[in-house]
Amino acid sequence: EIVMTQSPATLSVSPGERATLSCRASQSVSSNLAWYQQKPGQAPRLLIYGASTRATGIPARFSGSGSGTEFTLTIGSLQSEDFAVYYCQQYHNWPPLTFGGGTKVEIK
Amino acid sequence: QVQLQESGPGLVKPSETLSLTCTVSGGSISGYYWSWIRQPPGKGLEWIGYIYYSGSTNYSPSLKSRLTISVDTSKNQFSLKLSSVTAADTAVYYCARHHYDFSTGYYKNYFDYWGQGTLVTVSS
Repeated sequence: EIVMTQSPATLSVSPGERATLSCRASQSVSSNLAWYQQKPGQAPRLLIYGASTRATGIPARFSGSGSGTEFTLTIGSLQSEDFAVYYCQQYHNWPPLTFGGGTKVEIK
Repeated sequence: QVQLQESGPGLVKPSETLSLTCTVSGGSISGYYWSWIRQPPGKGLEWIGYIYYSGSTNYSPSLKSRLTISVDTSKNQFSLKLSSVTAADTAVYYCARHHYDFSTGYYKNYFDYWGQGTLVTVSS
């Protein structure tokens, strides 16, 4: 099973600032990595797939990078609606499909 | 716009079977892969298993011995049965659709549509 590790667990950022979230895989997942955003009481929403491709309707301030075992989600200028929990998910080697433990982006 | 809706009992007794159904509207269940994913309160996401509209399945190894996922294309629904539940199975259960890349013709194992989720509590 591929273990996904996200850091930090919590990120405190001021509105308008940049946020950088990390996701590490226990073995290479190539570019088969997705990012999701989850707000309280809601289902996750797909943000990024293929490590760097934005899903339909996702603003350009969200960008993904990386390949192999190290990945980054960058939110260019945090808006109020971006404060949420973010999860990475690998789909390279399965079963099982696996998610990271999440990074909570909170208002500083 | 595709919509998914989970339904089923919110409370299940220990050792009994948890049963949930996901109803797909605004699109056909045919031609896609569909997954169940769960999230214990305050914790992260865990993939449970998927089913193709034709009925083929793939389950998480950790749950495989207790799990059955089935599909009813006539009702545009797929279902989850998890037997011998314990308190550790208490979670919000989501159903979700796997992405299909029309440009390449490949299915991808990430999720583009999700249900709102339903909380299932295992308690006597």
